[in-house]
Amino acid sequence: GAVVSQHPSRVICKSGTSVKIECRSLDFQATTMFWYRQFPKQSLMLMATSNEGSKATYEQGVEKDKFLINHASLTLSTLTVTSAHPEDSSFYICSARTGLKKYEQYFGPGTRLTVT
Amino acid sequence: GQQLNQSPQSMFIQEGEDVSMNCTSSSIFNTWLWYKQDPGEGPVLLIALYKAGELTSNGRLTAQFGITRKDSFLNISASIPSDVGIYFCAGSLIQGAQKLVFGQGTRLTINP
Repeated sequence: GAVVSQHPSRVICKSGTSVKIECRSLDFQATTMFWYRQFPKQSLMLMATSNEGSKATYEQGVEKDKFLINHASLTLSTLTVTSAHPEDSSFYICSARTGLKKYEQYFGPGTRLTVT
Repeated sequence: GQQLNQSPQSMFIQEGEDVSMNCTSSSIFNTWLWYKQDPGEGPVLLIALYKAGELTSNGRLTAQFGITRKDSFLNISASIPSDVGIYFCAGSLIQGAQKLVFGQGTRLTINP
């Protein structure tokens, strides 16, 4: 149980284009999903918290107009990187909470974004 | 942002050895979680701790929630090659929101 998927697993895009990453909870309903960014050999950096049906809460320093988050249903959240630049290249990981165990987060497999 | 102090940053051990790593903070946490991340994958939840003093096992893994609520440790007994990876502690603050604070990670390497 508590399986989270992400799509795509890898994406390469040209500078200036937008990329959408999907995060799905496969066997549970997730009222809250989280989006993280991870640089090589570093820890996870929380970008935003996404609650179903409401606007995402962004962490300080994260541009909400650049990283658009939509949590349209209890099983799907999307992250869109708009006008991507090479410095946006990173490993993006989502997580979801089941709601049963208040603070346990279950992570997706991650998406490797490379902007050329 | 706030981070947990996780140590050691890396470990190089022989197969069969026991492993111990810990996390400390100056703040009080109400939940401690331990995750393992393999290269190119998302973290996988290993153990969750909810009460001060709680000691929980998951196979060869044992973790404890410190009495002061400011620390936690993870032990791995009789390490095997598949234990290789990066281990992260994470916690939720007493006065915090629903988000987690993560440690810097412990990279475990095992020599066969």
